[in-house]
Amino acid sequence: ETGVTQTPRHLVMGMTNKKSLKCEQHLGHNAMYWYKQSAKKPLELMFVYSLEERVENNSVPSRFSPECPNSSHLFLHLHTLQPEDSALYLCASSQDSHGGRTGELFFGEGSRLTVL
Amino acid sequence: QKEVEQNSGPLSVPEGAIASLNCTYSDRVSQSFFWYRQYSGKSPELIMSIYSNGDKEDGRFTAQLNKASQYVSLLIRDSQPSDSATYLCAVMGTYNTDKLIFGTGTRLQVFP
Repeated sequence: ETGVTQTPRHLVMGMTNKKSLKCEQHLGHNAMYWYKQSAKKPLELMFVYSLEERVENNSVPSRFSPECPNSSHLFLHLHTLQPEDSALYLCASSQDSHGGRTGELFFGEGSRLTVL
Repeated sequence: QKEVEQNSGPLSVPEGAIASLNCTYSDRVSQSFFWYRQYSGKSPELIMSIYSNGDKEDGRFTAQLNKASQYVSLLIRDSQPSDSATYLCAVMGTYNTDKLIFGTGTRLQVFP
């Protein structure tokens, strides 16, 4: 496998469910990110991890809980979500935090989440 | 005021024409500017970066930056149907942070 892979690609869950999104990067990068993409809205940065340490939490509700066990893997644990949390969740990686000097983020294909 | 603004489109151009995509940003001290392309159902990918005023050309793509007017644009020459996608403008260095701030994107449709 190459690049950034995300699973599952599609997820439907009820508001009381607990689920997790998984991201794996095969690029040897030091930084990983979770973004939320909703229709008609800009990409919204949720969390940033650099060398497995969380360096940014953009005022994300606690029902979203990230986990970065190592520099290649990133999880987003979901619990008691709301219908407005339905969106495409994109994982990305870069050599350094915030894309370093090049601004280049490598994105996964995303996990399409629907909350009923 | 939005930090990075783009017209959502769709921008429709005929095959072979020049497509012009525009982006404005709110913070004058922003330092670095990027264009990402996102095909429908796919992830964004970086296609151009520009750091100084003027034009930067890469194949059929030209990025233009005017820091005094706080806008950055992307020109696509000889547009092809395969260029049909959403183009995201991203700005780094806004408000003295190193965050990448994205616009909402402009959807481009190139018709044969």
